Amino acid sequence: DIQMTQSPSSLSASVGDKVTITCQASEDITFFLNWYQQKAGEAPKLLIYDASSLQTGVPSRFRGSGSGTDFTLTISNLQPEDIATYYCQQYHDLTTYTFGQGTKLGIK
Amino acid sequence: QALLVESGGGVVQPGRSLRLSCTASGFAFGRNPMHWVRQAPGKGLDWVAIISYDGTRKYYANSVRGRFTISRDNSKNTVFLQMNKLRSEDAALYYCARDEGRGVAAAGTLDLWGQGTLVSVSS
Repeated sequence: DIQMTQSPSSLSASVGDKVTITCQASEDITFFLNWYQQKAGEAPKLLIYDASSLQTGVPSRFRGSGSGTDFTLTISNLQPEDIATYYCQQYHDLTTYTFGQGTKLGIK
Repeated sequence: QALLVESGGGVVQPGRSLRLSCTASGFAFGRNPMHWVRQAPGKGLDWVAIISYDGTRKYYANSVRGRFTISRDNSKNTVFLQMNKLRSEDAALYYCARDEGRGVAAAGTLDLWGQGTLVSVSS
């Protein structure tokens, strides 16, 4: 099975900062990678699909990039409402799906 | 407005069974594959199973294969998860989620989630 490794597991940043979260796949998944945001007590929400496409309604300060095994979620101009845990998810073979372990983002 | 509402969670003893339901509204349910994803308390997301739009193809995580069965009734806009031989490690909040693919087995992107139903496994 494909394993997904996120880093860091947690981080704190200031409002207005640029934040980067990385996700590494154990094998080449081309661009079959999504990012989700989960706020405390809520269900996950799709942010980015196909590695770099912004889901409708998601602010443009969220950007996804990467291909193959290495992927990045970048949040520019961090806002207080961005406090959440972020997960990557691969869908390379469409019969099994794997999430990263999550990155908990806090505000300094 | 598209919506998913899960139900059926509760407290169950190890080795027993439970059936979860997820009822959809506000979209053409019969066109989308559907997933179950779980989240143990304080832990990350763990994919469980997927069923194709027509119910003919089903895939499972290794941890539940042979114990859990996913099914759907498109006439009732509902997807089910039958969970047998439950273990303590199955305790979690179970989400159903819509796969954004239409008329296919799966596309892999979960674009709509319910609020979850809680399963506790305890003697």
